[in-house]
This record gives sequence, C-alpha cells and structure tokens, in this order.
Amino acid sequence: GNSVTQMEGPVTLSEEAFLTINCTYTATGYPSLFWYVQYPGEGLQLLLKATKADDKGSNKGFEATYRKETTSFHLEKGSVQVSDSAVYFCALMANQAGTALIFGKGTTLSVSS
Amino acid sequence: DVKVTQSSRYLVKRTGEKVFLECVQDMDHENMFWYRQDPGLGLRLIYFSYDVKMKEKGDIPEGYSVSREKKERFSLILESASTNQTSMYLCASSFRGRYYEQYFGPGTRLTVT
Repeated sequence: GNSVTQMEGPVTLSEEAFLTINCTYTATGYPSLFWYVQYPGEGLQLLLKATKADDKGSNKGFEATYRKETTSFHLEKGSVQVSDSAVYFCALMANQAGTALIFGKGTTLSVSS
Repeated sequence: DVKVTQSSRYLVKRTGEKVFLECVQDMDHENMFWYRQDPGLGLRLIYFSYDVKMKEKGDIPEGYSVSREKKERFSLILESASTNQTSMYLCASSFRGRYYEQYFGPGTRLTVT
C-alpha cells in the first residue's frame, strides 16, 4: 500500500542553521507529494507541493524536490528562524480519483536563538 | 481567508458517553474530513464527505460515525466514548477537485476518562 516515512524528531537547531527533514514514500504509480506545517496551537497548513518527478516545490524559503529515482521528497531550508519551530508533515496523494492524503508521522522542529 | 472552526478546543467526557464534535467551514468547500492525531502515529483519516449526506470511511472508522446535513457542517460522533479515543481530532475541508489542498481547523483535544 501507499505510505510515507519521515525522519524521527525532534530536530533541534540554532537560528540560521541549515535544515533538512527527510521524507521517503512508497506508492504505486506517480503520486503527488506535499509538505504541511503545524505551528503551535494551530491547524495544519499546506507549505508546498510537487505533482511530478523533478518538480521543485517552494514557499517561505523552504524547498523540496520530487525525486522519483530515490522515492524521496526531502524538505530543506538554508537558514531557519525561531518562527519556523513547528511540526512538519510529509504527505502523498495517489493520483486516483477520490483518494485522500496519506500523512507521515510528523517531525518536530525546534529552533533556538 | 478560509476559516475552519471546531466547536471546542478541549473536551473531557466519561466512558460510555455519546460525544459530538462539530466542524464548520466558510469557503463553500465540497469535501470535509475528520482525522485523529496521535503522537508517533501522525494523522489518520477517520471519515470524509464529498457532498451533503455523502460519506466515505477512512482508515480507522470503527467506533465513529459522521453526519453532514449541510454543506458547511460536518459532525463526528462517538457513539459510546472509550479511553482509547482520547486524542486530538482535526477537521479539514477542500474544494472537490483539490483533495490535497486541505484547510485544517485548530483541533479538539478530547480526553475520555
């Protein structure tokens, strides 16, 4: 079946450090891939997406590239801020009508000044 | 801005009680979803609805039911609450053809004692 595996957290970084959160997936066909973010006390928000191989999604300084050969969609940011502290979820959607999102378990990021 | 609101942020109920969790969205979205979020397990889909009075089971529907009498409102019902239903419950909505772009409410933390 379809699934998403994320690196376990928490990830603890100092401000301005480089961030990578690993995400790999298992899916039949060619899924679309997403990163969602959940700030403390809030609901999840779509951060970025990529719908086909080699697409790069980007938003708010975050980037992720859809790598079909390694079935990966790692999230990166060159210089994190304290305000980036949140839980990050990788997700996929199989490209079949009526299917729902499949989420990874989430990775907690904590950034200190 | 899309608003998804949930009736309570925190709820404490006793074992065996019937529990109603309400969700309202104001963007005329066709799709609505209920998830539960547990540490180490991420988000798991309970039920979703793609139209008024329509519903589909998600990954973990046992012990839950749903109701969608109006387009903007989606209710989750725990017929007889049990302690293993203690969790964070998240509601989300999206446009019909954009299942992946889901807008989430802030969540209801339910404790069953």
